[in-house]
Amino acid sequence: SQTIHQWPATLVQPVGSPLSLECTVEGTSNPNLYWYRQAAGRGLQLLFYSVGIGQISSEVPQNLSASRPQDRQFILSSKKLLLSDSGFYLCAWSGDNNYGYTFGSGTRLTVV
Amino acid sequence: TQLLEQSPQFLSIQEGENLTVYCNSSSVFSSLQWYRQEPGEGPVLLVTVVTGGEVKKLKRLTFQFGDARKDSSLHITAAQPGDTGLYLCAGGFNDYKLSFGAGTTVTVRA
Repeated sequence: SQTIHQWPATLVQPVGSPLSLECTVEGTSNPNLYWYRQAAGRGLQLLFYSVGIGQISSEVPQNLSASRPQDRQFILSSKKLLLSDSGFYLCAWSGDNNYGYTFGSGTRLTVV
Repeated sequence: TQLLEQSPQFLSIQEGENLTVYCNSSSVFSSLQWYRQEPGEGPVLLVTVVTGGEVKKLKRLTFQFGDARKDSSLHITAAQPGDTGLYLCAGGFNDYKLSFGAGTTVTVRA
């Protein structure tokens, strides 16, 4: 069966520090991968998506970047965090038909 | 950016009552999905509907896709405290991306 792992679960980082969040998928090949950010208790904003290794599409201009160095690995990064980067970050994967996402358990990022 | 509107934003009911959550858009969906999310966790897919007029049932949950594929509803019969959570609808528009509604927070009181 397919599984998705996302870590860390929580992170407190000072303003100006770098960020690296990692997401890996097991049990499937060539998944579509996504990074979303969620405001407290509300809807999800798509940040990046990838349909293959090295292929990254950005949805929102921001202080973040994404990379996909391997087929089932998706990384969200920042060189210098801002206070506004705080939030709940979710990684997800889907198959080609896009009939359902499977989400990771999320990372709660607090920038202080 | 496609816009999905969910209503109501908050819903608090007593155990045993029924509830309905709505999801609307001015655009036509290729597919529509409903998720439930608990605090501190990722959303979990409940159902995907792809055909206009489609109705799917999952135990006490009934999902309906509008004939024009622009709207959907989620109905819960005899709600239980375990149904408490954030319900999100998400629409697919013939690409790899989903657009999510702002969510409906459902609280079922025992």
